[in-house]
This record gives sequence, C-alpha cells and structure tokens, in this order.
Amino acid sequence: SQTIHQWPATLVQPVGSPLSLECTVEGTSNPNLYWYRQAAGRGLQLLFYSVGIGQISSEVPQNLSASRPQDRQFILSSKKLLLSDSGFYLCAFGRGTGRTEAFFGQGTRLTVV
Amino acid sequence: RKEVEQDPGPFNVPEGATVAFNCTYSNSASQSFFWYRQDCRKEPKLLMSVYSSGNEDGRFTAQLNRASQYISLLIRDSKLSDSATYLCVVTLNTGGFKTIFGAGTRLFVKA
Repeated sequence: SQTIHQWPATLVQPVGSPLSLECTVEGTSNPNLYWYRQAAGRGLQLLFYSVGIGQISSEVPQNLSASRPQDRQFILSSKKLLLSDSGFYLCAFGRGTGRTEAFFGQGTRLTVV
Repeated sequence: RKEVEQDPGPFNVPEGATVAFNCTYSNSASQSFFWYRQDCRKEPKLLMSVYSSGNEDGRFTAQLNRASQYISLLIRDSKLSDSATYLCVVTLNTGGFKTIFGAGTRLFVKA
C-alpha cells in the first residue's frame, strides 16, 4: 500500500535559523510530490510541486526552497526563517495522472519565534 | 482571480439539515475535481471525486458543471460529525499535474 511520511510533527525554530522538512513516499514510483502551507485559519497554499527527480516548480516567491534528491523524497528548506514562515506544512503525493487524488502526510506545525 | 474559489462560511446548521457548498474554478483546462475534508489541525483527506455525470456517496452528492466551471457538494441529514472544513480541489495539467486547493468552507453542525 502507498504511504507518506512527514517529519517532524511539530517544530519551534528561532528567526534566522535554517529549516529542513523531509517527506518520503512508499509503495509507488514516480509520484508527483507537493508542498503546501496552511496559515492559521486559512486555506492551503501550494508552494512547490515536482514531477520527477530534480524537477521543482515554485508557485510563489518566498523564503523557501525545495529539492527532490530521490524519486520518493521531497525536502523543504530555508536558509533563514522569518516569523511569517510559521504555519502548517503539508507534503502530498499524487500518482502522476490527472484523475487521481492527492494523499497527505500528517503535516508539520512550524512556529518561528 | 483565485484559481479555485469557495465561500469561506462558516455555515452553522442544525443536525438533520441539508447544506450545499459551492466552488468555482478559473482554468477551463482543469481536468480532475475533488472534495476533501479537513478536521481541525489535521491533514486534508479525500471525501469524494467529482464527475461530470454527478456522483453520490451516501448522504453526500457532488456535481460538476464544466460549462460554468462550477462544482458543488450537497450534504443531506447533517450529523454532528460532519463538522469540518470542506475543500474544493482541482487538478491541472501544466506540463506536470498540479493540484490546487480552495481555501475551504467551514461547517458547524449543532445539536
């Protein structure tokens, strides 16, 4: 069966510190991978998506970057966190065809202090 | 204009009520459509896919109108456990498939 793992579940980081959130998928190959952010009380904002290793599309200019070093690994990073980076970060995968749904990891709740 | 728009609500309804959520999307090339449910502080989970012919799953009915670029979700006989945020989701093929979420509609079902 297909599963998605995202960690850590919660994170408190000081302003200016680096960030690395990791997401891995099991049970499927060549998935589409997504990073979303959800601010408190708001909807999901698509940050990055990837259709293959090393292929990253950025949706909004921001303080974050993403990488896909392996087929089923997706990493969200920042060199220096800002207060505005606080939020609920969700990794998701889709099977790479338009009719299939996205499956989400359990999310990382990031608080920048 | 947002790619996917929903009424943010909240919708406050009594148990047993029928409630309808609407969603519009801006890109006519959108290919797949879904409704997700998100409970507080949890990840979104798929509720149902939406097909052009309309589809029903128990108390839930989803409709798609491609000409109007409009999607709906109807919940009949609301339960307390239906309280959640309902997200309209659209998938685009932009050289790679991109899944876009609406901001969601909050539903509170009260006894």
